[in-house]
Amino acid sequence: NAGVTQTPKFRILKIGQSMTLQCTQDMNHNYMYWYRQDPGMGLKLIYYSVGAGITDKGEVPNGYNVSRSTTEDFPLRLELAAPSQTSVYFCASRSPPPSTDTQYFGPGTRLTVL
Amino acid sequence: QQQVKQSPQSLIVQKGGIPIINCAYENTAFDYFPWYQQFPGKGPALLIAIRPDVSEKKEGRFTISFNKSAKQFSLHIMDSQPGDSATYFCAASWAGNTPLVFGKGTRLSVIA
Repeated sequence: NAGVTQTPKFRILKIGQSMTLQCTQDMNHNYMYWYRQDPGMGLKLIYYSVGAGITDKGEVPNGYNVSRSTTEDFPLRLELAAPSQTSVYFCASRSPPPSTDTQYFGPGTRLTVL
Repeated sequence: QQQVKQSPQSLIVQKGGIPIINCAYENTAFDYFPWYQQFPGKGPALLIAIRPDVSEKKEGRFTISFNKSAKQFSLHIMDSQPGDSATYFCAASWAGNTPLVFGKGTRLSVIA
């Protein structure tokens, strides 16, 4: 199993450009998450999904959009990129309760907005 | 409002020492407290987790101590090794299906 995969690994965007960060998991997990990680600030939840067709906002959703059309994929869309969106983005997934609470993280996408 | 406060921000210990990382939480509804380990350039990975019905859990050299009345929990690393050098995050959640709330992380360096 590949687990949680993310593409691209690195990306540089110009202010105002748009892009989609891809996330795929092959563990048949219903729950998926997007976090951003900034130095010294921990992991902040952007959006999450408890199943195909169901998404909800996290702590820092502004400037981002998500969709969940399949169990496997949970893409994160950045519209009109801003320097404040420079960060490392992590996707994660887990099985729904009452199974294990373990969240499995992808390797991350490092995004720079100039 | 920061729901999980983690300290220290960074920590340097000698090989064989016992680094201790502390976390405090505010929401008494939290019922799951994991620690994640992250190496540079990698995603976080679950290290060890505890629920409030026990005060301590050990897995190998890693131990979580949990104090429900104080709303605090801590990670102890016995006989620390240079390979333990990483960033450690505490987290918390409740009801089994709510997203994890993470602390800000502790960067641990174990020097030989």
